Amino acid sequence: DGGITQSPKYLFRKEGQNVTLSCEQNLNHDAMYWYRQDPGQGLRLIYYSQIVNDFQKGDIAEGYSVSREKKESFPLTVTSAQKNPTAFYLCASSIPGVTSYNSPLHFGNGTRLTVT
Amino acid sequence: SQQGEEDPQALSIQEGENATMNCSYKTSINNLQWYRQNSGRGLVHLILIRSNEREKHSGRLRVTLDTSKKSSSLLITASRAADTASYFCATAANFGNEKLTFGTGTRLTIIP
Repeated sequence: DGGITQSPKYLFRKEGQNVTLSCEQNLNHDAMYWYRQDPGQGLRLIYYSQIVNDFQKGDIAEGYSVSREKKESFPLTVTSAQKNPTAFYLCASSIPGVTSYNSPLHFGNGTRLTVT
Repeated sequence: SQQGEEDPQALSIQEGENATMNCSYKTSINNLQWYRQNSGRGLVHLILIRSNEREKHSGRLRVTLDTSKKSSSLLITASRAADTASYFCATAANFGNEKLTFGTGTRLTIIP
């Protein structure tokens, strides 16, 4: 079955450590996204990538970094510069291009990161 | 600031009843989407309605869009326990999913 896999489901880290969240998709989608979800708030876009080897900052990119070396993979690194990293992180993909505004986002099941 | 705001924030109804939740937004949009999120899981796309459409159906779901009032509603008919989830609207002012703005969601509880 096609889908998006995020791992791990739960992640615990000490403050000051970098941590990388995995996102893999087998939907053959060109576009991939990372969102952050905090309680009582909507999703906020961290980074997105429309094509391999290219990515753009979203609304809250500070303290995060990404890479897109393969079409299937879009890992997110939460660096020690992120002031409030504890959150639920969601990866998504979609068909881009001129019709991208009509294409739904497909989400993984998220990684809950806790930093103490 | 959030583009889409759902109302109510929380809703509890008996199984079999209809559930209605609303989404208001501030600026002109190209399309509006509704997503469902079960607790601790990712979002699932439900339905997309374009700015030139007024109503759309998908199974037990009915979505309306009133661009003059900058609002949309999601109606779930004959609710089931499995409909318990949070529902989010997402608006796109322009082309491109990177422009999507999500609301804060309505938490729906279906009481068996």
